[in-house]
Amino acid sequence: AQSVSQHNHHVILSEAASLELGCNYSYGGTVNLFWYVQYPGQHLQLLLKYFSGDPLVKGIKGFEAEFIKSKFSFNLRKPSVQWSDTAEYFCAVNPSLSGGYNKLIFGAGTRLAVHP
Amino acid sequence: DAGVTQSPTHLIKTRGQQVTLRCSPKSGHDTVSWYQQALGQGPQFIFQYYEEEERQRGNFPDRFSGHQFPNYSSELNVNALLLGDSALYLCASSLGQGLGNSPLHFGNGTRLTVT
Repeated sequence: AQSVSQHNHHVILSEAASLELGCNYSYGGTVNLFWYVQYPGQHLQLLLKYFSGDPLVKGIKGFEAEFIKSKFSFNLRKPSVQWSDTAEYFCAVNPSLSGGYNKLIFGAGTRLAVHP
Repeated sequence: DAGVTQSPTHLIKTRGQQVTLRCSPKSGHDTVSWYQQALGQGPQFIFQYYEEEERQRGNFPDRFSGHQFPNYSSELNVNALLLGDSALYLCASSLGQGLGNSPLHFGNGTRLTVT
């Protein structure tokens, strides 16, 4: 079955530390890849996406992710986190041949806590 | 402002009962998808409605059904509730079945507790 694995369930960092959240997926074909973020008390929001082209994609708020096809990975990075980055982060994959956002498979999420 | 509105925000039901959850998509969107998010898990795709028809379905039993109305709003119905149906139910809207570059916009969800 198609699945998405997020390696860290909880991450605690101090402000200005660098962040890398791992994401691996099991589907072998063409995929669309996403990172969503859920700030406390808010709805899920799109952080960034990869459809095709440059495997290094940049999103909002200084986040970026790198698609490594050979490793089936789409890791999220940020060079210097802020307290306001405290949130839950979800990696998602659309393995559908039709692409886009129409049927996403989510990982279990990573809760990030950033301490001032 | 999420753009996607869901009601109610919280709901408590008893095993065996039936429940209806409602969703109004973001203005301009014509496609509604429903996801179930159990505690400690990521959202799981239930189904998608477009042009008032179920277009795609995830691995959920027939107890889960839905409807889309001409104004694009949608309902999720769950029959014969089980304790395991307790979860946050998320509605997400998009344009044109979410194909291409139309991102999903999520609502805040309905928290269903089955006792």
